[in-house]
Amino acid sequence: EVQLLESGGGLVQPGGSLRVSCAASGFTFRNYAMSWVRQAPGKGLEWVSATSGSGGSTYYADSVKGRFTISRDNSKNTLFLQMNSLRAEDTAVYFCAKLRGGTGQWYFDLWGRGTLVTVSS
Amino acid sequence: FVLTQPHSVSESPGKTVTISCTRSGGSIASNYVQWYQHRPGSAPSTVIFYDNQRPSGVPDRFSGSIDSSSNSASLTISGLKTEDEADYYCQSYDSSNVWVFGGGTKLTVL
Repeated sequence: EVQLLESGGGLVQPGGSLRVSCAASGFTFRNYAMSWVRQAPGKGLEWVSATSGSGGSTYYADSVKGRFTISRDNSKNTLFLQMNSLRAEDTAVYFCAKLRGGTGQWYFDLWGRGTLVTVSS
Repeated sequence: FVLTQPHSVSESPGKTVTISCTRSGGSIASNYVQWYQHRPGSAPSTVIFYDNQRPSGVPDRFSGSIDSSSNSASLTISGLKTEDEADYYCQSYDSSNVWVFGGGTKLTVL
């Protein structure tokens, strides 16, 4: 079955760190760019970060640049998001999403159900 | 650029509804527009990609279009069913490697 399964969410204090993961199955993981998208409580979807199939290229939203790091382990079909210097406004459900279409034409064609990250003291 | 959607729309079962997505800053035709359906608690899913293409498994009741004169994209759902009740997001890709979402539209089928 083609699916993405996020894990690693939880409660963390402001200024703290957390790493969330996304296990992919049912497709050739290394062939696809991957991304993280988040949804704060009561808010809409917000793109966070993306990486190429090899992991050699990475992209970040201005809101997380310098604090979050996206990476992947293609041998384990897993995507990661390392989140440092967390703020209350980073509280959200974090979705993993598979990208399709190639440079300049990418769109999200498969999503996970998300993992909740809560930043609070 | 910014994509602006109505906060909510509602319509009766069997009817047709159209959700708009207006681009501010640049032409709507500059980059493809996608539409995603999201039921709270579930994984989002793609209902339209590349302005008007339907992924396999999405019924032809869903259609997408763009209108350069109004600089907007539209998602039209015909023959509404109660299962179509969800949040819908438009999305486009900026050539500076940024993915932009609209604010989302809550569709109520009543």
